[in-house]
Amino acid sequence: EPEVTQTPSHQVTQMGQEVILRCVPISNHLYFYWYRQILGQKVEFLVSFYNNEISEKSEIFDDQFSVERPDGSNFTLKIRSTKLEDSAMYFCASSDIGPYGYTFGSGTRLTVV
Amino acid sequence: GQNIDQPTEMTATEGAIVQINCTYQTSGFNGLFWYQQHAGEAPTFLSYNVLDGLEEKGRFSSFLSRSKGYSYLLLKELQMKDSASYLCAVRDRDGANNLFFGTGTRLTVIP
Repeated sequence: EPEVTQTPSHQVTQMGQEVILRCVPISNHLYFYWYRQILGQKVEFLVSFYNNEISEKSEIFDDQFSVERPDGSNFTLKIRSTKLEDSAMYFCASSDIGPYGYTFGSGTRLTVV
Repeated sequence: GQNIDQPTEMTATEGAIVQINCTYQTSGFNGLFWYQQHAGEAPTFLSYNVLDGLEEKGRFSSFLSRSKGYSYLLLKELQMKDSASYLCAVRDRDGANNLFFGTGTRLTVIP
């Protein structure tokens, strides 16, 4: 069964450092997403991406965040200057027809120290 | 803001039936989703309702009442592997690409 692949599975970074989280969506999917889940809390939407541009973003997705599809297969989330409160599990998801039946990746656990 | 409420925890016995409720108050509505999430893993899609009524898929069924802002997920013939968190999520408008998730209901299945 097709999968969304995320790397790394765990990342520890120092506060103020930049991190890039990587995702390889399912190849024929057109919609890509980033969500995050702070430990013990709900899954929160960050951004959606379609047709090589951001289609929606939440209040969480401020100027510290950016997304890119640098080639035909990768989809990245960059956090420019990490804060302690950015520590969370970050999930990438993709879908072929909008939000119906997202396929989530297994996540990257980001720890900011 | 969007508000989606679910019970925090539930416990049920192997072989039994359990109903997990979800109520929502959102600025609009264009579909409700249920996901299963095992600890430390990604959510996996279970069901989608956009019209009132019951959608059945094997041991899992999901019900929606739009007038009441209410849904439930029904799990039959519970198995130990059903121990997981169950997330209710709402799409608030046609054309929206994002979902609003509840905090999830952690279900523990006991022998």
